[in-house]
Formats: sequence, structure tokens, C-alpha cells
Amino acid sequence: QSALTQPPSASGSPGQSVTISCTGTSSDVGIYNYVSWYQLHPGKAPKLIIYEVSKRPSWPSGVPDRFSGSKSGNTASLTVSGLQAEDEADYYCSSYAGTNNWVFGGGTKLTVL
Amino acid sequence: QLQLQESGPGLVKPSETLSLTCTVSGGSISSSSNYWGWIRQPPGKGLEWIGSIYYEGNTYYNPSLKSRVTMSVDMSRTQFSLRLNSVTAADTAVYYCARHVPTNYGGNFNSWGQGTLVTVSS
Repeated sequence: QSALTQPPSASGSPGQSVTISCTGTSSDVGIYNYVSWYQLHPGKAPKLIIYEVSKRPSWPSGVPDRFSGSKSGNTASLTVSGLQAEDEADYYCSSYAGTNNWVFGGGTKLTVL
Repeated sequence: QLQLQESGPGLVKPSETLSLTCTVSGGSISSSSNYWGWIRQPPGKGLEWIGSIYYEGNTYYNPSLKSRVTMSVDMSRTQFSLRLNSVTAADTAVYYCARHVPTNYGGNFNSWGQGTLVTVSS
């Protein structure tokens, strides 16, 4: 199984919106709605921010509605609206790939200018 | 609140076995709606799912690592473990443990440890 493809970097100014793409295949992203997104800050535990393509978890801590997810064909997307300084982090997508397999993306470093 | 903490040697010699343990607190390791997973991140690279285990012992491994991976659960200690044998420098990575929610419950990894760096070097 191949990793999902993400742009290595993305950036935006405070208050702007940024969209990060995650491209898979018809064997993972394209066929399953089990796409999730994770936020990684250095030295901290990764945090789930989106699951099942577009749902925001309310547990263990709520995720602001500035974060939203979508999917079209083999590509999923994470949009961060109203960028804030604390949104600067690495973001990874993941998808179910069938037969109890899971695949992650290569990660995108989001910079808040 | 559920917490996970990885522990184990930070340095492993090539060809030897990497062994890590994840201690779960603040929740039950025997919950029927959870698996427990391991994910790693080599330096400068993306995340890679290693495998997941159910408290009763059912396991699912990444096909690319399956021949070298063994996972186990110790419910009395609320821990689960990872063993990766015949390691090489390519296995150098930050290793994370996580609660893995199966697809019928949402299909995601919703709680993670902070990760532990394991370096493979002589």
C-alpha cells in the first residue's frame, strides 16, 4: 500500500483560510469514507481533528468548527478557516484501505504567516 | 481522561529486536469498541501504521511489516506491546501508541501517546 499524497507545505495569514489536500486511490480514499485528519505539534501527542471525512470529534476535547473536511473522488481535503497562530502544526491524513489496513499521508506543514 | 504512554529502549542495535510498551490509564483496555495501535514516524517522513490489536488478542498488521511484527496485550497491567525484529536503520523513528477506533465506530485513532524516539544504531 502506498502512502497518501499531501503537499509538503501550506501557509496563510491570520484570519485567512487554507485547504490541504490528501490524494489516495480508488482502493482507499476513493471508496471508503473513513478519512481522518491529525494535528501534530512538536513534542505533543497527535490530535484527531476530523474523522469520517467531515466529522469533528467532541471527545476528548472539542475541535473548533474552523476545521472542516470534505472528499471528492480520490482526494480528501482539510480546510482551516480563520487561521490562528496556534494552528501552525503538521497535519496528516489517514484512510482505511480495506482488509484491516490503514494508510497515512506524508504530512503537510502549515505555517501561519 | 484516557492517557497513553510509550516506554522502552531508545537505542537498539541492528538485527536485534525493538520492544516497546504502551501503558493505558484513565480508561479500560478491554473496551469492546477499541483496538490499540502502533504508528511510527521516521525522521523527516510521514506517519506509518504498524498494526493494531484487540484486547482479546486479534491482531492486524501492516503487510509491509507483518513478517517482523508481534503485538500483545497485558490486561492485568493495562498495557499493550510491540515487538519488531531484525531491525535496521530504516526502523529509526518516533513510535506512537494510540487508541484505534474500528470502522464501525468511526475508523480513526482518537487518543495518542506523545511518542518515543527509537534509534537503530550500533
